Amino acid sequence: QAVVTQEPSLTVSPGGTVTLTCGSSSGGVTSGHYPYWFQQKPGQAPRTLISDISNKHSWTPARFSGSLLGGKAALTLSGAQPEDEADYYCLLSYGGTRVFGGGTRLTVL
Amino acid sequence: DVQLVESGGGLIQPGGSLRLSCAASGFSVSSNYMSWVRQAPGKGLEWVSIIYSGGNTYYADSVKGRFTISRDNNKNALYLQMNSLRAEDTAVYYCEATSSGHWGQGTLVAVSS
Repeated sequence: QAVVTQEPSLTVSPGGTVTLTCGSSSGGVTSGHYPYWFQQKPGQAPRTLISDISNKHSWTPARFSGSLLGGKAALTLSGAQPEDEADYYCLLSYGGTRVFGGGTRLTVL
Repeated sequence: DVQLVESGGGLIQPGGSLRLSCAASGFSVSSNYMSWVRQAPGKGLEWVSIIYSGGNTYYADSVKGRFTISRDNNKNALYLQMNSLRAEDTAVYYCEATSSGHWGQGTLVAVSS
């Protein structure tokens, strides 16, 4: 089973920009991995932010965007808000199965 | 409104079985990719299983051969049959409508003697 890697923690200043990345032990991340991004705050269920690289849901704030960057999936937050402090998880597809990354704890400070 | 409500969790002894249910409303489970995801206490998310709209199913290596995902289109519900439970299966189990991005609130499964 592949291993999906994320930065364990990142810090961003309020109003700043930060990029979270998601890599695969099996090589570069491509559109065929259909990367997803999820946000989870303490005591809450996860929330889907981005599907299939860059597709946003109706509830996804405009300041979040997804892309492929340098062989990884990327989640960019532009104009960070205090309420964006949370854990962020990426998910990659490998054929029919899927694997989560270990998550990135984002601090807005 | 789309809603997913899990049930069936609880305390179970190692080696036992549980069946989790996920009641869906506001959309059809048969036309969605539906997944189960779990989260052990204090840990990250772990993908467990998926059932595609065509009926194909896939499992994480950690549960393959022990867990079975299924759905009832008439009841608009998703299920996870869990057999031969181990202590490491202890987690909150979430139902996710993968195609639409909706999640349930989760149900806690605790495997302990």
